[in-house]
Amino acid sequence: DGGITQSPKYLFRKEGQNVTLSCEQNLNHDAMYWYRQDPGQGLRLIYYSQIVNDFQKGDIAEGYSVSREKKESFPLTVTSAQKNPTAFYLCASSLRQGRDEQFFGPGTRLTVL
Amino acid sequence: SQQGEEDPQALSIQEGENATMNCSYKTSINNLQWYRQNSGRGLVHLILIRSNEREKHSGRLRVTLDTSKKSSSLLITASRAADTASYFCATDGGGTSYGKLTFGQGTILTVHP
Repeated sequence: DGGITQSPKYLFRKEGQNVTLSCEQNLNHDAMYWYRQDPGQGLRLIYYSQIVNDFQKGDIAEGYSVSREKKESFPLTVTSAQKNPTAFYLCASSLRQGRDEQFFGPGTRLTVL
Repeated sequence: SQQGEEDPQALSIQEGENATMNCSYKTSINNLQWYRQNSGRGLVHLILIRSNEREKHSGRLRVTLDTSKKSSSLLITASRAADTASYFCATDGGGTSYGKLTFGQGTILTVHP
C-alpha cells in the first residue's frame, strides 16, 4: 500500500530532552512538510522540503530541526529550545511543491511532562 | 499568521441537510484547497481549486471561489453522520510562498442522525 507513515503515534518527553519524530512516504513524492496543530487550531508550517538535501523554514521553525537525506524520509527533531512543544505533529507530502494536493500522515501526539 | 478564516466556527445540522462553510483570505492566491480532519487523525484532501477557476464539484461536494472577494465556500449536499469532522481551507499564496499552505482554524461540522 502506498502512503505516508508517522511514528510513534504518542510520544512523551521530559523537559530538556530532544526528541525525533519519524515521517516516511512511499508515494515517490518530491515535496514533504511538517506541521504543528494545537487544540482547536489550524495547522502551522514548521519546515518543508522540495528535494533531497534541501529544506526551508516555515512559519514556526524556532526550536525545531529537520533533515532530508533520502527522498522517502523527513524526520523532525523537537529540541529543548522549543518552549511549548506539546502539540499534534503532522507530516505531509505532495508530488510537486505548489501544484498538487498534500497527503497527510496520521500524526504524532507529543506531550512534554 | 493564519490567512484563511473559516465561518462558522461550528455547524450542527441533521442528516440530509446541506452544509455550507465559508473561507476568507487576505492576499492573492495560487490555489485554495479544502481538507477534512476526523478527530485526532491526519487531514484528507477534498478539493483543490485554482485561482482561475470559479467552481468545482466532487461527488456531494461543491466548492466556489471568488477571487474578487477573496472568499471560497464548501457545500456538502445531503449530509450524512459520517461527514462529521473538522473542515479546513488552506491557501497557497504563490510567488515566494509557492507551495506553502496556510491553514485556517477550521469549521467543526456535526451531522446528527
